[in-house]
Amino acid sequence: DAGITQSPRHKVTETGTPVTLRCHQTENHRYMYWYRQDPGHGLRLIHYSYGVKDTDKGEVSDGYSVSRSKTEDFLLTLESATSSQTSVYFCASKGEPGGTEAFFGQGTRLTVV
Amino acid sequence: GQNIDQPTEMTATEGAIVQINCTYQTSGFNGLFWYQQHAGEAPTFLSYNVLDGLEEKGRFSSFLSRSKGYSYLLLKELQMKDSASYLCAVRDNYGQNFVFGPGTRLSVLP
Repeated sequence: DAGITQSPRHKVTETGTPVTLRCHQTENHRYMYWYRQDPGHGLRLIHYSYGVKDTDKGEVSDGYSVSRSKTEDFLLTLESATSSQTSVYFCASKGEPGGTEAFFGQGTRLTVV
Repeated sequence: GQNIDQPTEMTATEGAIVQINCTYQTSGFNGLFWYQQHAGEAPTFLSYNVLDGLEEKGRFSSFLSRSKGYSYLLLKELQMKDSASYLCAVRDNYGQNFVFGPGTRLSVLP
């Protein structure tokens, strides 16, 4: 399995505060992704990156920003957390375009109160 | 647009065979993936189809018909540990991004 870790694993935060989730991979994968998973919706893409400093928006990007300053790290920031952002967040990574599957981190359960 | 459909829940008996269907309508296609996800855990890769036909991997097989926008995952000799959600995902034309279906929660009963 690819070495991909997320931190923190659990977080409770207050509405209106900024929150940053971290994803770290040791596989030198070019592509990295942030998804959120909610009941009835499955995994929805928030943002993705196709290289250092190269990022783009996914399906549900409003209220989120990302940064990728190094190949191994992909940060997701909730600029001002809202209760609708309570979710489980998964990071994933994939090798070159010819690479097949994406590998997932263990997830971060975020609760906004 | 992107639309992937799967049944929400299925139940089967230990030792039996179950087929989980997935239909898709997406703006691009470069492969159909199946992932398994146990409750509270990360999705893990099961199978991949890019051409029409059946791919077999042990107790699991996956089928694809691109003309019909249809795939299924076949699980044989069901075990209790197969109780999980099964996610169908389509990879886009550029081979970079994945669109996931809502997942099918499978319960295997003794």
